[in-house]
Amino acid sequence: QSALTQPASVSGSPGQSITISCAGTSSDVGGYNHVSWYQQHPGKAPKLMIYDVSSRPSGVSNRFSGSKSGNTASLTISGLQAEDEADYYCSSFTSDSRTPFGTGTKVTVL
Amino acid sequence: EVQLVESGGGLVQPGGSLRLSCAASGFVFSNFWMAWVRQAPGKGLEWVANIKVDGSEEYYADSARGRFTLSRDNAKNSLFLQMNTLRADDTAVYYCARNRGWFQFEDWGQGTLVTVSS
Repeated sequence: QSALTQPASVSGSPGQSITISCAGTSSDVGGYNHVSWYQQHPGKAPKLMIYDVSSRPSGVSNRFSGSKSGNTASLTISGLQAEDEADYYCSSFTSDSRTPFGTGTKVTVL
Repeated sequence: EVQLVESGGGLVQPGGSLRLSCAASGFVFSNFWMAWVRQAPGKGLEWVANIKVDGSEEYYADSARGRFTLSRDNAKNSLFLQMNTLRADDTAVYYCARNRGWFQFEDWGQGTLVTVSS
């Protein structure tokens, strides 16, 4: 199975909005509304930020939002803050019950 | 509070075996699919395997199929990963994760480091 494709890095200034893309296929991202996003700070376990394309778990800031168009999902972080600097990974349900992750995006707050 | 605590990692020689364990608490373990996800040093997340609530179905990444076996003991709220014929590229932090549905992982353990080296 192939990993989902994300940009290696995205940066923005405090207060700005940034968007991270996650490109898949019709067998994963495009075929199901079960895309999730994870935040990972260095040395820490990943944290679920978005599930089912655009739903937020309890406790996750509403500055984080998700969407999907065709075979590409997106994570938008609005009002960027220093604490948002981390690695972000997408993932999707697939037709063969496997769980590919994206290649990962390093977010830098300038 | 959901807790997932991995154990069993360590240094092993190429070709050797290791059994990882994950002790779960704070939720009804037998109601949830579970998974292992790994992360090689400086690399991204890689899904390893999923297991159904009753252990009747398992799914493996190509890198794990034939060498790793995922199992669970619902009576003991525990998840296991038996890893055989280990290779240097299996070196990674291995995370146990709880599936909230459709293989979306809501809770993660702190991870256990597996190092395969001679």
